[in-house]
Amino acid sequence: ETGVTQSPTHLIKTRGQQVTLRCSSQSGHNTVSWYQQALGQGPQFIFQYYREEENGRGNFPPRFSGLQFPNYSSELNVNALELDDSALYLCASSLAGAATGGYTFGSGTRLTVV
Amino acid sequence: QKEVEQDPGPLSVPEGAIVSLNCTYSNSAFQYFMWYRQYSRKGPELLMYTYSSGNKEDGRFTAQVDKSSKYISLFIRDSQPSDSATYLCAMSGMRGGKLIFGQGTELSVKP
Repeated sequence: ETGVTQSPTHLIKTRGQQVTLRCSSQSGHNTVSWYQQALGQGPQFIFQYYREEENGRGNFPPRFSGLQFPNYSSELNVNALELDDSALYLCASSLAGAATGGYTFGSGTRLTVV
Repeated sequence: QKEVEQDPGPLSVPEGAIVSLNCTYSNSAFQYFMWYRQYSRKGPELLMYTYSSGNKEDGRFTAQVDKSSKYISLFIRDSQPSDSATYLCAMSGMRGGKLIFGQGTELSVKP
């Protein structure tokens, strides 16, 4: 059973640029969530996708957008990057309706905006 | 006021000690409570998952939820150097819903 894989592992971008982060869900999982974790903080919910539709969104501006594909993989896109967007971006997958609601997290993409 | 409060530590204990980690929360709608462990440069790993109030034990780990006090705890018995990590509490109002995390407590277990 494979876990959640994210790419790239590290990324450096310039303020104002756009970035796309990718996530492959754990085998059998149909729900994907994205979280932003600033240094020394707990992860913050960005949004969740289920059956290729956004299924909940946190307090993030519209320049944060996402996609989920038929194979349940997902992308997080961030436009007009700001310095405060520097963080670890985590993808988490789960199976909707499962008895246990815990998520499986990937190792994250560390984004640095300069 | 944050929805979930967690003492960030850092917490340093000798090997073999009992560790107590705690979180308080303000949203009475939370029903699902989790503890995650996060090693440096890694994603969070689910340790314990509890629904509603009560205790749950798994090996050296015990999770407690007191909904009346809006307080959850994680106890680690016979702590090992390999337990050194950041511990995050997380909670949700619905199964499979968004998780609200605490700030994380950095734990160091010294040999």
